[in-house]
Amino acid sequence: DTEVTQTPKHLVMGMTNKKSLKCEQHMGHRAMYWYKQKAKKPPELMFVYSYEKLSINESVPSRFSPECPNSSLLNLHLHALQPEDSALYLCASSQDGAGPYNEQFFGPGTRLTVL
Amino acid sequence: DQQVKQNSPSLSVQEGRISILNCDYTNSMFDYFLWYKKYPAEGPTFLISISSIKDKNEDGRFTVFLNKSAKHLSLHIVPSQPGDSAVYFCAASEVNRDDKIIFGKGTRLHILP
Repeated sequence: DTEVTQTPKHLVMGMTNKKSLKCEQHMGHRAMYWYKQKAKKPPELMFVYSYEKLSINESVPSRFSPECPNSSLLNLHLHALQPEDSALYLCASSQDGAGPYNEQFFGPGTRLTVL
Repeated sequence: DQQVKQNSPSLSVQEGRISILNCDYTNSMFDYFLWYKKYPAEGPTFLISISSIKDKNEDGRFTVFLNKSAKHLSLHIVPSQPGDSAVYFCAASEVNRDDKIIFGKGTRLHILP
């Protein structure tokens, strides 16, 4: 299994809703990432879990919270989002968080719309 | 301050010819560079990478060249094919630095028939 899966593919939510995005990989990778991508822009790194250690992009608001139940799963919990949070949310994993094998494998993304 | 720059937002190349995508970086601590390809409505796909100890890495039709003194790298695609039409992102990272990869803004490549 050489892919990163993300569910759901599409999500529409209101500003008062609580939802979660899920990401899973079975490649034995020890680092997983969440990115946000707006149209025609490169992905922006939000969070990194590497060897169970969380790194946070300080510009990410607290209405986004990651959770790593185990080394194969990475969730992104969403609460009280704003319309400007509408974007494609990409999950990625890499074999090793650091070192020469840092190629990241991306999932297909979840298209999020906040109304 | 952009650390990874792709100054050409778009590029058009005739099918069969060579496509050259350029990327400049400012952080001399970057020691690992990657190229990603992205189709609309899909996640980026890893294409090819190069470590700073090398100046060239080749994989099939794709070759990445690194010029450390100029802080410049380029991706060559030869021959260009219609399926190569996509957005190409250059990315860089510092090994042992918070696992962060810094992306450029991307270059949209159009392969003309």
